[in-house]
Amino acid sequence: EIVLTQSPGTLSLSPGERATLSCRAVQSVSSTYLAWYQQKPGQAPRLLIYGASNRATGIPDRFSGSGSGTDFTLTISRLEPEDFAVYYCQQYGTSPPEFSFGGGTKVEIK
Amino acid sequence: QVQLQESGPGLVKPSGTLSLTCAVSSGSITSGYWWTWVRQPPGEGLEWIGEISQSGNTNYNPSLKSRVAMSVDKSKNQFSLNLSSMTAADTAVYYCAASTYYSLHFWGQGTLVTVSS
Repeated sequence: EIVLTQSPGTLSLSPGERATLSCRAVQSVSSTYLAWYQQKPGQAPRLLIYGASNRATGIPDRFSGSGSGTDFTLTISRLEPEDFAVYYCQQYGTSPPEFSFGGGTKVEIK
Repeated sequence: QVQLQESGPGLVKPSGTLSLTCAVSSGSITSGYWWTWVRQPPGEGLEWIGEISQSGNTNYNPSLKSRVAMSVDKSKNQFSLNLSSMTAADTAVYYCAASTYYSLHFWGQGTLVTVSS
């Protein structure tokens, strides 16, 4: 299992600010296998980004993903009120086939 | 887009077996996705349980493999999860999801399962 570490644990920002979330893997991950999710309280996670940089259907372009190897980033260019939530990165390993998730970053209103 | 709905008991006794079903609508279970189960203990992060293809091929989380079984019912357009030897540590919200491109594109709303006598 490839362990994913997300930082920071909590990010305190104001609406309109830029959010930069980090996801680091202990060994190199193919960009194809890296995804990001948003989860709000009481709701299921929602896919934001797959293949490290591809926005899922209906996701606003203020969300962007980047990175390669062991370091990946989710950027929210200008925070909207509805963006305050917990964000998880996820990778898919092939030997054996399995998903693993990072511990999450909470983006809270400052 | 695919819609998913979990169903099953909200309470399971210790040492018992959890059985959950996920109904697939607005799409077919033979549409090429891998059908996945994920759980989330209260206040904690996400844990992948396993996945099953339309043809019944499975991949399970190694930490749960000895207790997990998944199946697909094409006639009912649904898939299922069985998790045996349940303990309090298995108390969680259980989600079903559809994966493609190595990510989980569609999710059910989740169902809370509590293990208690």
